[in-house]
Amino acid sequence: EAQVTQNPRYLITVTGKKLTVTCSQNMNHEYMSWYRQDPGLGLRQIYYSMNVEVTDKGDVPEGYKVSRKEKRNFPLILESPSPNQTSLYFCASSLYSVSSSYNEQFFGPGTRLTVL
Amino acid sequence: GNSVTQMEGPVTLSEEAFLTINCTYTATGYPSLFWYVQYPGEGLQLLLKATKADDKGSNKGFEATYRKETTSFHLEKGSVQVSDSAVYFCALSDLGGGSNYKLTFGKGTLLTVNP
Repeated sequence: EAQVTQNPRYLITVTGKKLTVTCSQNMNHEYMSWYRQDPGLGLRQIYYSMNVEVTDKGDVPEGYKVSRKEKRNFPLILESPSPNQTSLYFCASSLYSVSSSYNEQFFGPGTRLTVL
Repeated sequence: GNSVTQMEGPVTLSEEAFLTINCTYTATGYPSLFWYVQYPGEGLQLLLKATKADDKGSNKGFEATYRKETTSFHLEKGSVQVSDSAVYFCALSDLGGGSNYKLTFGKGTLLTVNP
């Protein structure tokens, strides 16, 4: 089954304790992205990656890091989480083509993070 | 920059009622437009899309038409069901000569359908 998986689905942690949220897709997609969803703000992009070893900042990258060492995985790293990073996080992936202005993005089930 | 404005709701309807959720956008280029749906406790699913002006996207009884002249992409359904209860997001993707397939989302509209 084609899917995007995220782990963990729920996480409660404390300020300053490093954590990683994993994202994996089995569709051989080049493009992957992280969003955070906050009430009244919709979804905002954190980071994206066009392919292995190619990453770039989205609209709200502060406090986050990413890596793309393998095509299927795109972990989100919070080196020193703070309460304002309490949010619902979604990973997404799609095919990437220079000649195409649109490719459907597939979303993971979400990770609900609470930072105390 | 790009932006999406949609009616925020919440919207509460009775089963079989007509649904409209308004969505307007601002974009510098020629965006593709989408409606995503988020059922309780789940991720986002693409409901329908339109990639150029006057295109009509449709799926599961929902429709939306890409109106360039009014920069709108309103979601409609003629007869809603309880199972349509969810949060609906209008979104656009505007590559703008770059390489980021970033989706710009509206704030979402919570729809509750009562039996």
